[in-house]
Amino acid sequence: DIQMTQSPPSLSAAVGDSVTITCRASQNVNTFLNWYQQTPGKAPKLLIYATSKLQSGVPSRFSGNGSATEFTLTIRSLQPEDFATYYCQQSYSPPRTFGRGSKVDIK
Amino acid sequence: QVQLVQSGAEVREPGSSVKVSCKASGGSFNHFAITWVRQAPGQGLEWMGGIVPLFGAPRYAQKFRGRVTITADEFTGAAHMEMKDLTSDDTALYYCARPLFDSWNGYYLVDWGQGTLITVSS
Repeated sequence: DIQMTQSPPSLSAAVGDSVTITCRASQNVNTFLNWYQQTPGKAPKLLIYATSKLQSGVPSRFSGNGSATEFTLTIRSLQPEDFATYYCQQSYSPPRTFGRGSKVDIK
Repeated sequence: QVQLVQSGAEVREPGSSVKVSCKASGGSFNHFAITWVRQAPGQGLEWMGGIVPLFGAPRYAQKFRGRVTITADEFTGAAHMEMKDLTSDDTALYYCARPLFDSWNGYYLVDWGQGTLITVSS
């Protein structure tokens, strides 16, 4: 199975800050990497698929980059609704494993 | 957008089985597919398996093979996940999710159910 490692596990930031979360795959997943956002008590929500493609309706302050084994999710100018947990997922091969999550909370 | 509505919370004793349902409505069921993801209390997301009825048999994560059965009907938009030999470690929120997939973009989960809490306790 492909292991997905996210860092940092948690971070504190203020409204207006920019933050970057990293996701590393244990083997090459090409660009088949997705990002999800989950707020407490809610189902996850797709933000970005195929490394850098923004899902419909997702604000442009979210962006994704990377390839092969290293990927990043950047949120520019954090908004109050962005404080959540973010998960990466590889879709290169089943099982389509998730990272353990990165929690962004308010400083 | 497709809405996914799941069945309600269940409490089961260790060693028993549970079946969770998921019904899709709205949108298009072209190449209907369903994936199941679970989340233990305070933990992250775990991909369990999925099915694309048009393409044949479901696929499972190794740890669930033999203990979980995923079925789906592309004509009715109904899907089920049955898990047997439950232990307390199976206490979790179980989500169904609808994937989209193609050769260029891979596979990604665009619509999610509300989650079904399964509690395993004696």
